[in-house]
Amino acid sequence: AQSVAQPEDQVNVAEGNPLTVKCTYSVSGNPYLFWYVQYPNRGLQFLLKYITGDNLVKGSYGFEAEFNKSQTSFHLKKPSALVSDSALYFCAVREFSNYQLIWGAGTKLIIKP
Amino acid sequence: DGGITQSPKYLFRKEGQNVTLSCEQNLNHDAMYWYRQDPGQGLRLIYYSQIVNDFQKGDIAEGYSVSREKKESFPLTVTSAQKNPTAFYLCASSDGHQETQYFGPGTRLLVL
Repeated sequence: AQSVAQPEDQVNVAEGNPLTVKCTYSVSGNPYLFWYVQYPNRGLQFLLKYITGDNLVKGSYGFEAEFNKSQTSFHLKKPSALVSDSALYFCAVREFSNYQLIWGAGTKLIIKP
Repeated sequence: DGGITQSPKYLFRKEGQNVTLSCEQNLNHDAMYWYRQDPGQGLRLIYYSQIVNDFQKGDIAEGYSVSREKKESFPLTVTSAQKNPTAFYLCASSDGHQETQYFGPGTRLLVL
């Protein structure tokens, strides 16, 4: 069965420091992996996705994510955090042959000035 | 201005009442989705539609109904059979069911 785990409910980072939001997944075939961000009372915004190719994927707002097949992980990263990055971040996965996205529970990212 | 719109932003339901949430997209996407979001949980799929006049149940379809009469519209009805409807409802669309999903701003449903 497909599954996604975001092991941290909340991540606290000081402004200007690097940030990492963790995501691990389980699928039986090749994964399609996604990161979305949600600001309070808003819809989800697409950040980036991994389909195939380079393991390091660059996305919107300076975010990037690294696909690690051996560790079945797809951690979201940013070299220098901004206060405006504070939001709820969701990781999602689906198999190549499957329509349905499986969602993590979300990680609340708090960037302190 | 292209995108996905949802209305209303807030909706109040009385006991035993059916309510309908609107979702419209002008992205010319074939596939549309309805999700429910509860605090501390990931999104759960209610229904999805890959083409006009066709839709399938997701993981939590009980107490909900949909229609897809037009490509750009995918309304969701929360029926009186849904005993715990209070949640944030998100509509999404994609250009084919295997492509990236894009989301509307959401509707928050509250029970009076």
